[in-house]
Amino acid sequence: GAVVSQHPSWVICKSGTSVKIECRSLDFQATTMFWYRQFPKQSLMLMATSNEGSKATYEQGVEKDKFLINHASLTLSTLTVTSAHPEDSSFYICSARVGSSEAFFGQGTRLTVV
Amino acid sequence: AQSVTQLDSQVPVFEEAPVELRCNYSSSVSVYLFWYVQYPNQGLQLLLKYLSGSTLVKGINGFEAEFNKSQTSFHLRKPSVHISDTAEYFCAVSEGTNAGKSTFGDGTTLTVKP
Repeated sequence: GAVVSQHPSWVICKSGTSVKIECRSLDFQATTMFWYRQFPKQSLMLMATSNEGSKATYEQGVEKDKFLINHASLTLSTLTVTSAHPEDSSFYICSARVGSSEAFFGQGTRLTVV
Repeated sequence: AQSVTQLDSQVPVFEEAPVELRCNYSSSVSVYLFWYVQYPNQGLQLLLKYLSGSTLVKGINGFEAEFNKSQTSFHLRKPSVHISDTAEYFCAVSEGTNAGKSTFGDGTTLTVKP
């Protein structure tokens, strides 16, 4: 089956620094990937749609200058949280579209900003 | 725009009892429907999906769901639950025109008691 891998699984960073999260499709090519954010005991909220070779499409209310998304290849999308603050602490999950009907999810990245 | 409503935020049930987790959706176009399970600090695992065809969908771990177009529902059922089924369950919908871009319900916490 389709495998999506995120790295790192968890990261702790200091307030004001930037952190990069990678999302890779291991056994398929994904022209479209999605980034979600999940606060504790809450649902997943779509942050942005990442398209290979073009700019990401951000959902309303998501700061595109803070959450930089790059989809430079058909197997890799990255999310960079710039100038992170404690309120950015969350669980970030990516998914990659497979075919024309669904997407597979990565295992998630737990970000803690201290 | 699409939306998903999970009607029960918490469902406690005794081991070996049947369970139903309810999900209703709204959308103006044809949809794909999914149920995911999430264990603490982990990503999402796909339980089952409805893309087309038979309205009764069987998934992993003995779960099944029925797509009811007239009632816009996609309830998840299991005839006999185990302690290991204790987890968070999410219903999700994506529109056929933008597969993979999912809207999630708020989740249902299933707690199986011995």
